[in-house]
Amino acid sequence: NAGVMQNPRHLVRRRGQEARLRCSPMKGHSHVYWYRQLPEEGLKFMVYLQKENIIDESGMPKERFSAEFPKEGPSILRIQQVVRGDSAAYFCASRSGGSYSNQPQHFGDGTRLSIL
Amino acid sequence: DAKTTQPPSMDCAEGRAANLPCNHSTISGNEYVYWYRQIHSQGPQYIIHGLKNNETNEMASLIITEDRKSSTLILPHATLRDTAVYYCIVRVFYTGANSKLTFGKGITLSVRP
Repeated sequence: NAGVMQNPRHLVRRRGQEARLRCSPMKGHSHVYWYRQLPEEGLKFMVYLQKENIIDESGMPKERFSAEFPKEGPSILRIQQVVRGDSAAYFCASRSGGSYSNQPQHFGDGTRLSIL
Repeated sequence: DAKTTQPPSMDCAEGRAANLPCNHSTISGNEYVYWYRQIHSQGPQYIIHGLKNNETNEMASLIITEDRKSSTLILPHATLRDTAVYYCIVRVFYTGANSKLTFGKGITLSVRP
């Protein structure tokens, strides 16, 4: 039973380029969360999605960041015009159950984004 | 969600039980206690969660006090691979749109040989 799969594991971009991070949730999980961990800091929530819907994006920076979870395929976190401050580990988590559920979130091993 | 308080660090000897405390004195009746850990450079790993009864699984036991204001995660036989940052998180279970996890600083457990 495969866990949450994130790719790539490491991504290097130059300032101004676009970064696309992919997350395939666990089988049967329809809820996806993205978190960011800046160097030497804790994990911070970014966005919560269900299939084709953004449920909570209160942690997303207002500009340059977007996320989607299409009906088919993985969830994508997209960062446009990256800057040095975007360098971080980005973690995806998924869970099963309905909208109102105590099922735990299960995390992938993250994408380490480095901006040159 | 209720705030949690954990000591910054602790250590224990390999093979002994590790008891990790967490205070959540403002917890509400509809809030669960979740424990995760993060081993260096890896994604957080779910350990266990509970509402008011004690819980046990293959990884750990969770003891919640009767007033629910604190809890203890117990790793019965700690190994070197249990060295990690452990996070205690309280979350309302019927959150709907607001089901994010709020991570604090956690407690760094060091298991010594």
